[in-house]
Amino acid sequence: KNEVEQSPQNLTAQEGEFITINCSYSVGISALHWLQQHPGGGIVSLFMLSSGKKKHGRLIATINIQEKHSSLHITASHPRDSAVYICAVGGGSRLTFGEGTQLTVNP
Amino acid sequence: DTAVSQTPKYLVTQMGNDKSIKCEQNLGHDTMYWYKQDSKKFLKIMFSYNNKELIINETVPNRFSPKSPDKAHLNLHINSLELGDSAVYFCASSPSTGTTYGYTFGSGTRLTVV
Repeated sequence: KNEVEQSPQNLTAQEGEFITINCSYSVGISALHWLQQHPGGGIVSLFMLSSGKKKHGRLIATINIQEKHSSLHITASHPRDSAVYICAVGGGSRLTFGEGTQLTVNP
Repeated sequence: DTAVSQTPKYLVTQMGNDKSIKCEQNLGHDTMYWYKQDSKKFLKIMFSYNNKELIINETVPNRFSPKSPDKAHLNLHINSLELGDSAVYFCASSPSTGTTYGYTFGSGTRLTVV
């Protein structure tokens, strides 16, 4: 079992829908990161969280340290949001990654 | 301006060859990393350097050797390439060690060994 589990693995949505991607982890962490990987392959850091909630544009990330769970929400989804979303947890000096969620938003 | 730049973007080579991937960051970060992404898109840490000092050395074949001439550069040299080395390799940097800092990733190098 991976230390970091994401769900769902694949998600297809219609433009405008509210999207939630979940991340659960089984180890103690100092921070949790959400990353986005576009079809072209580049990886962009979206959020780094150690508690509570962060918002950037249509993206919202939350973390519950006690439950060892984080969610990434996308409001008013758009086809350009289509990408792989990766959760990574940080402990010590290294990140451990989930397997990613492939999101496809259809027009 | 590119923050973390990797070269080359694509690399196709034959088994047994030796190749290098270069990485440079202009963010003034102290810490740099090499990650390997397999065919299932799963990322794994390979190496990390902080101010030219090796701080993470995961269990990778010793055919892989990182070199950091200064804190802005981290290169990856691979000897005697094998088919299983085919993957996408990402360089990244962060302001310091520890995972409470934001990471900046390069655009990746897709290595194909034939």
